[in-house]
Amino acid sequence: AQKVTQAQTEISVVEKEDVTLDCVYETRDTTYYLFWYKQPPSGELVFLIRRNSFDEQNEISGRYSWNFQKSTSSFNFTITASQVVDSAVYFCALSADNAGNNRKLIWGLGTSLAVNP
Amino acid sequence: DAGVIQSPRHEVTEMGQEVTLRCKPISGHNSLFWYRQTMMRGLELLIYFNNNVPIDDSGMPEDRFSAKMPNASFSTLKIQPSEPRDSAVYFCASDKTGNQETQYFGPGTRLLVL
Repeated sequence: AQKVTQAQTEISVVEKEDVTLDCVYETRDTTYYLFWYKQPPSGELVFLIRRNSFDEQNEISGRYSWNFQKSTSSFNFTITASQVVDSAVYFCALSADNAGNNRKLIWGLGTSLAVNP
Repeated sequence: DAGVIQSPRHEVTEMGQEVTLRCKPISGHNSLFWYRQTMMRGLELLIYFNNNVPIDDSGMPEDRFSAKMPNASFSTLKIQPSEPRDSAVYFCASDKTGNQETQYFGPGTRLLVL
């Protein structure tokens, strides 16, 4: 079975703090993809990053960074020096190969991040 | 380039009425996905199409829901008759068929059935 767990339902920080959003996944497939999406208060879903199972390099994009660790089945997301505009719900998702026919994304329930001034 | 376009953005209707949601995928994308988002159930995939053909509709809640994709640039999701429990945000997403390509989402349609 495939599953994505985002244990943190809500996080509240003060601006400029660093914050890490956890994502733990389960899959038996050896080929899979992991995603993070952001849903700001306006409601749209914004793609942030995709990582495949063969690439364990960490990724940094500005204040955002992602730590992929297959050994712990985790794909955590860190925002450095958080800003009020980072306030949103963040979703982690998994897509596993299943002979190339599985197009479904398995979604976590999301972590609601509030960055307070 | 334009992103995924959905209409209407908001819909309020009465129980029993037919509701039609519309989606235009990103040009060049050949897979299209319909999702529903609620507080209770989170994001659920309802159905997806590849090259206009429905591939997996196992997420469609019941026969009241139907989806079509008559051509590469247009899809509809219809609910008939609508019920209050159908109230949700409905998202359309598209991607290029490859291997787990990234899905890009439209702004969503917020549906309220009274």
